[in-house]
Amino acid sequence: AQSVTQLDSQVPVFEEAPVELRCNYSSSVSVYLFWYVQYPNQGLQLLLKYLSGSTLVKGINGFEAEFNKSQTSFHLRKPSVHISDTAEYFCAVSANAGGTSYGKLTFGQGTILTVHP
Amino acid sequence: EAGVTQSPTHLIKTRGQQATLRCSPISGHTSVYWYQQALGLGLQFLLWYDEGEERNRGNFPPRFSGRQFPNYSSELNVNALELEDSALYLCASRQGALSTDTQYFGPGTRLTVL
Repeated sequence: AQSVTQLDSQVPVFEEAPVELRCNYSSSVSVYLFWYVQYPNQGLQLLLKYLSGSTLVKGINGFEAEFNKSQTSFHLRKPSVHISDTAEYFCAVSANAGGTSYGKLTFGQGTILTVHP
Repeated sequence: EAGVTQSPTHLIKTRGQQATLRCSPISGHTSVYWYQQALGLGLQFLLWYDEGEERNRGNFPPRFSGRQFPNYSSELNVNALELEDSALYLCASRQGALSTDTQYFGPGTRLTVL
């Protein structure tokens, strides 16, 4: 089974400041990693995903994340945030194997990013 | 290209009733997922359908059930509603059955059980 821990439930930052949203995972099998964003009263939108290869993944809206296998982490970063980045961010994993975890996404509890002017 | 659509947007039921939620996947997608986003419990996997068959099921009681139709749209049925079933139910679709493929989410159905 997999589990995902997002270390911060809320992250307040000022506009144009850098931000890092932290995500750690646990799994007995290899996984694929995802970050999704949820704006108020909307569904989830994929920001980026790590499948294999380069550990630094670039996504939409200027976000990037780095996969660290030894620390089982997949932290999300943005060098300069905008007011419009205010949303809830979810880290998720998908097992790269069969069994009961096959096919589904396991999500963290979410991090609410609030960007202040 | 149209995204994943869900209906209704909001649904209000009383305890003990049945609720039916509907999802239309992106054209060409054969896999449909259902997730529950309940306050304080986060996003939890409910069901996965692919090519008309149930492929996996989350840790939910049997009164949560569903089906996938030949056109790949899907229904989620919740019987004997309980207050704690109040949540946002999200549907996602995926082009195939590979875990590397992205799941695309709909806007959700907000179910309120009174």
